[in-house]
Amino acid sequence: DTGVSQDPRHKITKRGQNVTFRCDPISEHNRLYWYRQTLGQGPEFLTYFQNEAQLEKSRLLSDRFSAERPKGSFSTLEIQRTEQGDSAMYLCASSSPGVVNEQFFGPGTRLTVL
Amino acid sequence: ILNVEQSPQSLHVQEGDSTNFTCSFPSSNFYALHWYRWETAKSPEALFVMTLNGDEKKKGRISATLNTKEGYSYLYIKGSQPEDSATYLCACNSGTYKYIFGTGTRLKVLA
Repeated sequence: DTGVSQDPRHKITKRGQNVTFRCDPISEHNRLYWYRQTLGQGPEFLTYFQNEAQLEKSRLLSDRFSAERPKGSFSTLEIQRTEQGDSAMYLCASSSPGVVNEQFFGPGTRLTVL
Repeated sequence: ILNVEQSPQSLHVQEGDSTNFTCSFPSSNFYALHWYRWETAKSPEALFVMTLNGDEKKKGRISATLNTKEGYSYLYIKGSQPEDSATYLCACNSGTYKYIFGTGTRLKVLA
């Protein structure tokens, strides 16, 4: 396993369009996280999965955002009716159980909404 | 843990200089702190995980200390090299799965 992968790496879309991002975590990791990072800010927590269960969703996420992890492996993050304010880097991370276990990050998907 | 702060936001140093940055966090409910290095176009890379007051960790020219009583961690880079140029992030955890990240320190090492 070569680490966490994300696809696509870059996405440019027009306002109002829907976009979907994919994250493939490290195979033995049961925890998966999505973060959003905007210019000058650190990664902000969006949502967390333990296996296929979505255990927390940040208030940052409006109803236009949805995330799934149907088989407890890869995850998708969908944004409907994109807005310019959605432009950001979307990072995925995975970890094994344990509070201090480090998160392994993917390279991120950079979204630009025109 | 509600707020994690890092300073400075950015800095430029000359090759060979040593430098350090700070990560501040509320000392109550602290459980663990992680340092990451994030180079442009790459994935954030974990540097250290620290949990105990007085912890000191070292990896090559980079080291970190932790003071949980006063709520801060320092990251030191000795003899900075251009390849050290990156954003350095800290993230804190209060005993759950959730991490709160600071805004990062952007380091540029000039050759």
